Amino acid sequence: NAGVTQTPKFQVLKTGQSMTLQCAQDMNHNSMYWYRQDPGMGLRLIYYSASEGTTDKGEVPNGYNVSRLNKREFSLRLESAAPSQTSVYFCASTPRRGQGEQYFGPGTRLTVT
Amino acid sequence: AQKVTQAQTEISVVEKEDVTLDCVYETRDTTYYLFWYKQPPSGELVFLIRRNSFDEQNEISGRYSWNFQKSTSSFNFTITASQVVDSAVYFCALSEAGSGYSTLTFGKGTMLLVSP
Repeated sequence: NAGVTQTPKFQVLKTGQSMTLQCAQDMNHNSMYWYRQDPGMGLRLIYYSASEGTTDKGEVPNGYNVSRLNKREFSLRLESAAPSQTSVYFCASTPRRGQGEQYFGPGTRLTVT
Repeated sequence: AQKVTQAQTEISVVEKEDVTLDCVYETRDTTYYLFWYKQPPSGELVFLIRRNSFDEQNEISGRYSWNFQKSTSSFNFTITASQVVDSAVYFCALSEAGSGYSTLTFGKGTMLLVSP
């Protein structure tokens, strides 16, 4: 099992460019999450998908969109990147929403210039 | 208001010292889960422990121990005889029944530096 995988690992964008961060899990988990991590801020939830076919906003959803493509895949899209979106992005999944531990991907380091 | 507070931003200790990382949480729910995660310098997030609100027994796993006290809304983490490999950022997190356990709320983390 690969667990949770994320692509790409690193990305540099110019302001206004768009991109999609990909996340996939092979553990048959129902719930998936996107977080951003900034220095001194901990992990902040951007969006989550409690189950296939549903998505909900987290604490910091502005400037992002998500797609739960199927049970395995949950993508995060930046339509028009801004320097404030420079961050490390983590995808996570859990078999039992909230009650179980979340399994995290390795992260994507995104820089917007 | 922060739901999970880790007041210690950074702690520095010398190897073999004991160290306690504090976590104070806030919730109106009677049913909830608390977690600790470790983020070593390599960047990945590693699950350490989960505790539900009905289980106040302290837990020990090797050099790690956790003290859960509902009376003070705290879930503190102690590393005994610290080692350089313990150097990492440690996060405490909360999941509440009121939100359907849908999400985890993380504290801002405590960076632990263990020097030889």
